[in-house]
Amino acid sequence: DTAVSQTPKYLVTQMGNDKSIKCEQNLGHDTMYWYKQDSKKFLKIMFSYNNKELIINETVPNRFSPKSPDKAHLNLHINSLELGDSAVYFCASSQWGDTGNTIYFGEGSWLTVV
Amino acid sequence: AQSVTQLDSQVPVFEEAPVELRCNYSSSVSVYLFWYVQYPNQGLQLLLKYLSGSTLVKGINGFEAEFNKSQTSFHLRKPSVHISDTAEYFCAVGGGADGLTFGKGTHLIIQP
Repeated sequence: DTAVSQTPKYLVTQMGNDKSIKCEQNLGHDTMYWYKQDSKKFLKIMFSYNNKELIINETVPNRFSPKSPDKAHLNLHINSLELGDSAVYFCASSQWGDTGNTIYFGEGSWLTVV
Repeated sequence: AQSVTQLDSQVPVFEEAPVELRCNYSSSVSVYLFWYVQYPNQGLQLLLKYLSGSTLVKGINGFEAEFNKSQTSFHLRKPSVHISDTAEYFCAVGGGADGLTFGKGTHLIIQP
């Protein structure tokens, strides 16, 4: 069983569209994240949720809206997609309070905006 | 505030040679350090981590790293690399709901 799974893995869409990426973890963790990896491979945190509450909201355009219906899911909705949104988006999870809080990543969602 | 510097963006190494990937960190809180590997078109896989205790940490695939507090470093090493080690390697600091702060990555290129 995949620990952190996200869908779709590949997404090609036109500018101006709205799209969602779904993420689910079966590790029983209470904290989930979204990271963005740009074309230069740089990884930066976008959001983190602990027990469905938003903890981190980095400087991200408000076209990006995370939604956590329960502890095991954190979806990412993007409105009015722009060319610059093309990137790989990684979902991740960890357990709050675990020493060092190892973060487990999904396989990534490759978003291409044309 | 936390930050990570990976000094080399690219490291070419011949197969079966040793390799060291350098990582320096800055952190104002407890230091938890990680190395992740990303194979082409795949997600991030944890190689090893330092939380406390022994400064020499062993990970998967024959990799190890040494935590050096005085030099604020956490360099990754492998005594003999294989073609299959070709990947992007990321050093990271942090943990918890604040997530991880990553370095910019080092692309390890194994030459036959």
